[in-house]
Amino acid sequence: DAGVIQSPRHEVTEMGQEVTLRCKPISGHDYLFWYRQTMMRGLELLIYFNNNVPIDDSGMPEDRFSAKMPNASFSTLKIQPSEPRDSAVYFCASRGAGVNEQYFGPGTRLTVT
Amino acid sequence: AQSVTQPDIHITVSEGASLELRCNYSYGATPYLFWYVQSPGQGLQLLLKYFSGDTLVQGIKGFEAEFKRSQSSFNLRKPSVHWSDAAEYFCAVGGTGRGNKLVFGAGTILRVKS
Repeated sequence: DAGVIQSPRHEVTEMGQEVTLRCKPISGHDYLFWYRQTMMRGLELLIYFNNNVPIDDSGMPEDRFSAKMPNASFSTLKIQPSEPRDSAVYFCASRGAGVNEQYFGPGTRLTVT
Repeated sequence: AQSVTQPDIHITVSEGASLELRCNYSYGATPYLFWYVQSPGQGLQLLLKYFSGDTLVQGIKGFEAEFKRSQSSFNLRKPSVHWSDAAEYFCAVGGTGRGNKLVFGAGTILRVKS
């Protein structure tokens, strides 16, 4: 299995631009999680999906953030417009039903200038 | 509410020495506990997990952890550290219920000196 795949691995953009991060979960996993990691706040859960349905988005910081999961093998996290304080590493993780451990992707390092 | 405390932000050990990373959790029921490791520029990799049964669990890379309910702790240990173990280590707690959200500690950065 290829594991959780994220793209791009690095993104540098200017303030005000739209940013789209992509995630492909492990095949057969029906939970998908988006996290943000910063030095100041550590690892924060932004949103998670079960069977493509958003279950808890209480961690999404602002309306500028949105996430979708159009099918079981693809999810996006979008920031529009981006701001410098959005600079962070964004991780996607997935897990299967009946198990509790999450498997993480390599992350996307976002820099907003 | 669930919470995880990793009291040590940084730890430095000599190569070949033993290691113990501390983790204390707060959870209202029997927790599911995890240790993850993150190497620089990488994602988090699962080292080991505890759900039930034997309170001493073995993981990958020679790591083990012991669940102590009375102390609400789940400390990670390794008898002999290798230079390649230098990384950041995260303890996490989750539970039953839809989604099984994990709550992560702040992490402990391990430095290994030769």
